[in-house]
Amino acid sequence: QVQLQESGPGLVKPSETLSLTCAVSGYSISSGYHWGWIRQPPGKGLEWIASVYHSGSTYYNPSLKSRVTISLDTSRNQFSLKLSSVTAADTAVYYCARGTSGLQADYWGQGTLVTVSS
Amino acid sequence: QSALTQPASVSGSPGQSITISCTGTSSDVGGYNYVSWYQQHPGKAPKLMIYDVSYRPSGVSNRFSGSKSDNTASLTISGLQAEDEADYYCSSYTSSSSYVFGSGTKVTVL
Repeated sequence: QVQLQESGPGLVKPSETLSLTCAVSGYSISSGYHWGWIRQPPGKGLEWIASVYHSGSTYYNPSLKSRVTISLDTSRNQFSLKLSSVTAADTAVYYCARGTSGLQADYWGQGTLVTVSS
Repeated sequence: QSALTQPASVSGSPGQSITISCTGTSSDVGGYNYVSWYQQHPGKAPKLMIYDVSYRPSGVSNRFSGSKSDNTASLTISGLQAEDEADYYCSSYTSSSSYVFGSGTKVTVL
């Protein structure tokens, strides 16, 4: 059974960099699939942030691309997200997920709330 | 990129069928068969209900079905049950090699 678990600080100061990690169990991320991040501001809808293919190819939301970096760590079977220059608008529940063809997400983590505040 | 357009809310009585629309453009919904639908209960992670326009993952009830015509995709829930009350989001691959979600629809079982 594939399982994903997000981890990282729950509070980030404005203008700093948000860093999250997703640990994957039950499947080797180097074997296949896309691995991505989606966020959901409180009371609002879902927003896709970025995905990385098992080969290392990356895909970014055009509206966030200038601030986002996604990467794989195959030795630890995890992948990471960095979002720079955060503002209060980046406050959200951040989910990691596995993506199939066309980045469709079939397995999700439980989500982690990140609040941007001084 | 702009979110796909969904109705804010849809409601129905137990046993009825409801349909949720998801309208995009030829650069996303109309251009690819990578359209999926997600169900999200309050405080929970989304769950994949439909992928590749009309395919159900293992374990998803056959009361859920998907279709697409031109730039609009649809999710139909037949035999509506109380447990179907949730938020539903469509999504699509795009010509920018990215992924876009719909605005979300709240389904209420009357």
